[in-house]
Amino acid sequence: KAGVTQTPRYLIKTRGQQVTLSCSPISGHRSVSWYQQTPGQGLQFLFEYFSETQRNKGNFPGRFSGRQFSNSRSEMNVSTLELGDSALYLCASSLEASGSYNEQFFGPGTRLTVL
Amino acid sequence: SQQGEEDPQALSIQEGENATMNCSYKTSINNLQWYRQNSGRGLVHLILIRSNEREKHSGRLRVTLDTSKKSSSLLITASRAADTASYFCATGLLETSGSRLTFGEGTQLTVNP
Repeated sequence: KAGVTQTPRYLIKTRGQQVTLSCSPISGHRSVSWYQQTPGQGLQFLFEYFSETQRNKGNFPGRFSGRQFSNSRSEMNVSTLELGDSALYLCASSLEASGSYNEQFFGPGTRLTVL
Repeated sequence: SQQGEEDPQALSIQEGENATMNCSYKTSINNLQWYRQNSGRGLVHLILIRSNEREKHSGRLRVTLDTSKKSSSLLITASRAADTASYFCATGLLETSGSRLTFGEGTQLTVNP
C-alpha cells in the first residue's frame, strides 16, 4: 500500500498570504489528523477529521482550518500567514475514528516558510 | 502544552550499546506510542502499548508502561548508527469529540560508529 502523501513538500510564502496543504491518507484509512512541528513548541495537534467531519480541534486560532473530502483526502488552510506559522506540517492517517487506539501513519510533511 | 516529558533530551552512545529513553505524562491514557523522526522528516511509528499492558517487544525495541507512575520507557538494544534520530512518545486520549495524540518534546539519540 502506498503511504501517506503530502503536497507540496516545500512552500515559501510571505506574511499575509494564505496557503493550502494537501494530504492523501493510506487507502482505506478514514481518519486524518494534522500536526504542526516547530523547534519552540514541538509537535502540536491541529485537528482531526473522520468521514468529512471535524472530530477534534487543537488550540490554534481560526486562521487554521481544514476539511476532508469523501475520498478521505484532507486539506488544511492557513490564512493571513504570520512569521510564526513557519513550521513542518504533518498529516497522519489511521484506520478508525478513534485514532488514538491505533497507530497513526505519518506523511513526510510540508515544510512551510513564511517570509 | 505538552502532555509528555522525555528524559533525557539528548543521548549520545557508541554502536552496540543500549539506549534507554523515558517518558512521563500527566493524565490518564488509553495508549502510549513511540515514534522516530529522522532530521525533520515524517514520523515513523515504532510501537504502541495499551494502558492495560506493561511491556511490549518489537525486534530490538522494548517498551514498558507503568500507569501508576504515569511513565514509560523505550529501550533500544545493540544500537546502530542508523538508529540516530529523535524519538518521541505520544499519548492517546479518548475525548468526547474525537481523539488526538499528545507528543513529548523528544529525545535526540546519537549513535556513534
